[in-house]
Amino acid sequence: GAVVSQHPSWVICKSGTSVKIECRSLDFQATTMFWYRQFPKQSLMLMATSNEGSKATYEQGVEKDKFLINHASLTLSTLTVTSAHPEDSSFYICSALDRPDYEQYFGPGTRLTVT
Amino acid sequence: DAKTTQPNSMESNEEEPVHLPCNHSTISGTDYIHWYRQLPSQGPEYVIHGLTSNVNNRMASLAIAEDRKSSTLILHRATLRDAAVYYCILRDDNFNKFYFGSGTKLNVKP
Repeated sequence: GAVVSQHPSWVICKSGTSVKIECRSLDFQATTMFWYRQFPKQSLMLMATSNEGSKATYEQGVEKDKFLINHASLTLSTLTVTSAHPEDSSFYICSALDRPDYEQYFGPGTRLTVT
Repeated sequence: DAKTTQPNSMESNEEEPVHLPCNHSTISGTDYIHWYRQLPSQGPEYVIHGLTSNVNNRMASLAIAEDRKSSTLILHRATLRDAAVYYCILRDDNFNKFYFGSGTKLNVKP
């Protein structure tokens, strides 16, 4: 199956700083990627849809100025958590949409801890 | 918003079949039924998906009710590696978004 990578796999940052997470589709081009967050013992929550060459669309309740998404190429989307706070600590997961079969392939996730 | 309901947890014995149910009574004609599973601290892994007909692959089988308001994921011989949270998700064919429900945590006993 298709492979999606994320970098870094984990990151610790101080409150007030910004953190960038990368999501790459390694063996296919993805015009659409998705970003999720998952708190401990909870399900995945869709944050936003990232479209190559256009602005991301955010789910209701997700602050677009806090979670900046850039889909600069057909294989790369980035999520920047700006002015991070401890409550932003979570597991962030991306997925990439493989057009021929419209299947989503998920990355391994990034564990963010804000101290 | 999640449109599926699943039991919170299920238990199975190793080497025995497992039937994981999912209810999706508000499914529309263009919604595909997807199943993913997730191990702790990992991203979800694709299992199987279908629209109307039953589907088989090397990992599992998907049985879809005739009215499409429910489906069942079938693991033919559970192994310890199948212990995970299984998510049943409806994909809108127009937007391709996934809204995850709470999933079923499958425990496999040796």
